[in-house]
Amino acid sequence: SQKIEQNSEALNIQEGKTATLTCNYTNYSPAYLQWYRQDPGRGPVFLLLIRENEKEKRKERLKVTFDTTLKQSLFHITASQPADSATYLCALLDTGRRALTFGSGTRLQVQP
Amino acid sequence: ETGVTQSPTHLIKTRGQQVTLRCSSQSGHNTVSWYQQALGQGPQFIFQYYREEENGRGNFPPRFSGLQFPNYSSELNVNALELDDSALYLCASSSDGTGRMNTEAFFGQGTRLTVV
Repeated sequence: SQKIEQNSEALNIQEGKTATLTCNYTNYSPAYLQWYRQDPGRGPVFLLLIRENEKEKRKERLKVTFDTTLKQSLFHITASQPADSATYLCALLDTGRRALTFGSGTRLQVQP
Repeated sequence: ETGVTQSPTHLIKTRGQQVTLRCSSQSGHNTVSWYQQALGQGPQFIFQYYREEENGRGNFPPRFSGLQFPNYSSELNVNALELDDSALYLCASSSDGTGRMNTEAFFGQGTRLTVV
């Protein structure tokens, strides 16, 4: 069956450290993979998109890697801040499909 | 603010009733998706509309139906509400223009539906 797995346990880190979140998928052939941030009671907000033929994408303190052999994407936040505390969702667009499929998200808590 | 607005923001309905949720997509966005998000879960895809036609559907029963209007605004209708329908309902729009969500999706703030 198809699965998108994100660590369901919250990730707690100290301010200034790098946060690394994982997204693993099974039985998908994603053309695109996206990462979103979601705050409680709000809609997801787009952060980064990476294509199947790209290995890495960066935007300010954010970095995404995409390994189609391992079927995994890693999302890094460097120099993390308490304001980065939120739930982070990965979403993929499967080849031949038109809509995004989301993982269950990982909650990140950055301690001051 | 993303420019995608949903109404109402909160709603309480009784089991068995019907509900209509509304979404006004960002200007120029002709692709709209609807998602259901239960507490502590990721958004689950309900269906997607492109230029007023449904072009994708998730594993939801037929009592979940929708519409997209010529101005690309959209409605989600749920009939015969069940307790498990209680969730945050999210609408997202995209400007890709091909009916695929392969660019940034802009989400509304959601409608919190409670079924009692």
